Amino acid sequence: ETGVTQSPTHLIKTRGQQVTLRCSSQSGHNTVSWYQQALGQGPQFIFQYYREEENGRGNFPPRFSGLQFPNYSSELNVNALELDDSALYLCASSVNPGQGTDTQYFGPGTRLTVL
Amino acid sequence: RKEVEQDPGPFNVPEGATVAFNCTYSNSASQSFFWYRQDCRKEPKLLMSVYSSGNEDGRFTAQLNRASQYISLLIRDSKLSDSATYLCVEMDSSYKLIFGSGTRLLVRP
Repeated sequence: ETGVTQSPTHLIKTRGQQVTLRCSSQSGHNTVSWYQQALGQGPQFIFQYYREEENGRGNFPPRFSGLQFPNYSSELNVNALELDDSALYLCASSVNPGQGTDTQYFGPGTRLTVL
Repeated sequence: RKEVEQDPGPFNVPEGATVAFNCTYSNSASQSFFWYRQDCRKEPKLLMSVYSSGNEDGRFTAQLNRASQYISLLIRDSKLSDSATYLCVEMDSSYKLIFGSGTRLLVRP
């Protein structure tokens, strides 16, 4: 196991609602990255947090937002949910985003279904 | 054009077979590449990192060809437990991971 945990495991919401997903990083890791994985696709980068600051963002609208806390755990918030937001949301923790050798370890994911 | 492209498969091979996957990437400046394995409805798990000229880990060998901008993964003596989706991953200059859509492998008895 990677030591990265996510909650909840599954979630069902309706269009227009808001959702908060949580991630606890591996001990000693100060960086959390969030990814969205639609069915049959590879994960797509949403954003990364390093020492409580956003450290890069992918091609996702502003209704996707995040936070990182002093203990390096993180939240992903999605407002005004759309049907296409249905996906597996993965967080990954790592030690140092400034190095190409940095390995990202994934949590088990949260499966979000939007009806 | 996708940044990282893979043949989706599935590759259906018997136990003991050797199978190879290729992946192409578009950003010639990228330095780091990885292969992740993903089982059905599970998270991706790092299989191998691929640096410079490639590396080997047991039955698995990864190669990087910078001139042609492709990465390969070779699996020798396939096991039933190797059945999974293999994700080719590039780390871009801002250290975010860019995933291919994955290649599905089915190893049959």
